[in-house]
Amino acid sequence: NAGVTQTPKFQVLKTGQSMTLQCAQDMNHEYMSWYRQDPGMGLRLIHYSVGAGITDQGEVPNGYNVSRSTTEDFPLRLLSAAPSQTSVYFCASSPGGQWTLHFGNGTRLTVT
Amino acid sequence: SQQGEEDPQALSIQEGENATMNCSYKTSINNLQWYRQNSGRGLVHLILIRSNEREKHSGRLRVTLDTSKKSSSLLITASRAADTASYFCATDALLENNDMRFGAGTRLTVKP
Repeated sequence: NAGVTQTPKFQVLKTGQSMTLQCAQDMNHEYMSWYRQDPGMGLRLIHYSVGAGITDQGEVPNGYNVSRSTTEDFPLRLLSAAPSQTSVYFCASSPGGQWTLHFGNGTRLTVT
Repeated sequence: SQQGEEDPQALSIQEGENATMNCSYKTSINNLQWYRQNSGRGLVHLILIRSNEREKHSGRLRVTLDTSKKSSSLLITASRAADTASYFCATDALLENNDMRFGAGTRLTVKP
């Protein structure tokens, strides 16, 4: 049972480049979410999904897009990377209703 | 904005001592959860306490919740070097079930 898998683990982008952070879970969880973690800021919610075909914005959605075509996958797209998006990104999932989140190990992104 | 705020930001104790971390939040909640994060890893769920509960135990962990003061505490008894990690509280606001907010965390160091 792999849980929540994030790829890649590390990524360096130049300003203006685009990329997709992958997140997959094998627990048949309905709820999935993306957070970014910055020093001294805790985790901030970017986008979330309560099921396939449904997504919504969190606290800091600007500059990011998401889609949820399957229950298992919830990719996060950076449309035009900016240095302010340098951060560690975590994907999490939950069965829904219980709100106990299962986290991936994160993607460390640096934008130069 | 962050919902939960942990106090202290950092805590250093000797092995065998107890560690107490506090969390304050701003709005009425459904549940409050505590998570642990080892360096370079994702967060791991420790314990969930519902808004109608006042105290909960899990092994060496004891969590209290005071909804009148909008605060919670996490007590780790008989700490071990392996407890060294960052600890975060997370809340889901009463009227916003899909939005889990995290504090900035307490960095606990347990010296052997």
